Amino acid sequence: NAGVTQTPKFQVLKTGQSMTLQCAQDMNHNSMYWYRQDPGMGLRLIYYSASEGTTDKGEVPNGYNVSRLNKREFSLRLESAAPSQTSVYFCASRMGPPGEQYFGPGTRLTVT
Amino acid sequence: QQQVKQSPQSLIVQKGGISIINCAYENTAFDYFPWYQQFPGKGPALLIAIRPDVSEKKEGRFTISFNKSAKQFSLHIMDSQPGDSATYFCAANSGGATNKLIFGTGTLLAVQP
Repeated sequence: NAGVTQTPKFQVLKTGQSMTLQCAQDMNHNSMYWYRQDPGMGLRLIYYSASEGTTDKGEVPNGYNVSRLNKREFSLRLESAAPSQTSVYFCASRMGPPGEQYFGPGTRLTVT
Repeated sequence: QQQVKQSPQSLIVQKGGISIINCAYENTAFDYFPWYQQFPGKGPALLIAIRPDVSEKKEGRFTISFNKSAKQFSLHIMDSQPGDSATYFCAANSGGATNKLIFGTGTLLAVQP
């Protein structure tokens, strides 16, 4: 099992460009999450999907959109990147106890 | 009310010593309190977790102490090792239909040999 995989690992964008971060899990988990991690701010929830076909906003959704393509895949799209979106993005999935989320390796995004 | 406050921001401990990280919360609806460990360049990984009806949970050298009345919980790392050097995050689960995790801001632990 690969667990949670994310692509790409690194990305540099110019302000105004768009891109999609991909996430897939092979653990048959129902719920999937997108977080951003910034120094001194912990992990903040951007969007989540409690089950296939549903998505909901988290704490910091502005500037992002998501798609739960199927049970395995959950993508995060930046339509018009801004320097404030420079961050490390983590995808996570969950099946079991409420807090037991499994994280991917992250995507480091720089917007210039 | 949705915040989880974590301290200290950074911690230096000698090998063999005890590392203690503290967290506090306000929302009494939180129903699950995990700790995550993150090494540089990696995603966070679940280390240990506790439910609010338990006052202590121990797994090897790692112990969570939970004080429901004070709305505080802490992670103790006994016999700290250089391999424990990482960033530690406490979190609280919101419960209900959403089951979202609220994370603390993290503690960077350095264990000196």
